Amino acid sequence: KQEVTQIPAALSVPEGENLVLNCSFTDSAIYNLQWFRQDPGKGLTSLLLIQSSQREQTSGRLNASLDKSSGRSTLYIAASQPGDSATYLCAVRPGGGNKLTFGTGTQLKVEL
Amino acid sequence: DAGITQSPRHKVTETGTPVTLRCHQTENHRYMYWYRQDPGHGLRLIHYSYGVKDTDKGEVSDGYSVSRSKTEDFLLTLESATSSQTSVYFCAISVGADNEKLFFGSGTQLSVL
Repeated sequence: KQEVTQIPAALSVPEGENLVLNCSFTDSAIYNLQWFRQDPGKGLTSLLLIQSSQREQTSGRLNASLDKSSGRSTLYIAASQPGDSATYLCAVRPGGGNKLTFGTGTQLKVEL
Repeated sequence: DAGITQSPRHKVTETGTPVTLRCHQTENHRYMYWYRQDPGHGLRLIHYSYGVKDTDKGEVSDGYSVSRSKTEDFLLTLESATSSQTSVYFCAISVGADNEKLFFGSGTQLSVL
């Protein structure tokens, strides 16, 4: 059974700092990995999707990397802003299936 | 929000009563999903649908049933609500050539007293 872990569960950084969020998974036979953002009381917003054949994806200040063989992905946020404060979740999709497995998320707070 | 509407947004009910949550989409996507989100557990898949009248169970399907009589609507029913079903429920659709990307609704906060 696939297990997805995100450490740390919570993180607080000063504005302007570059930071890395971690996601690890136990079964490397994945189809893709997706990073989401969730604001309090809201649904999840898709940030980046990395196919299993890709090493990284970039969108603005966000860069996600994937090392499938080691079961790890990172989300890099450059020059963090208070508006980046949210919970960030990763999810993996297995090869040959549609049932995603989610991590429990990292709650990020960017302070002024 | 990819045209996804969940209703109701909030509901309080009593143990033993039936509850139906509705997910409506406007873009004719084939795949629709119901998840629940609980502290310490993340999001867990309850049921999903891959077409009208085509559904399958997720990892936490006990106590839940679903129906999809039209492409645009996916209903989640708690036949007899229990306190353990107090949660936030999210509907999602998958889009893309291989249904690879998920988009979520805003959620329904359900409290079972």
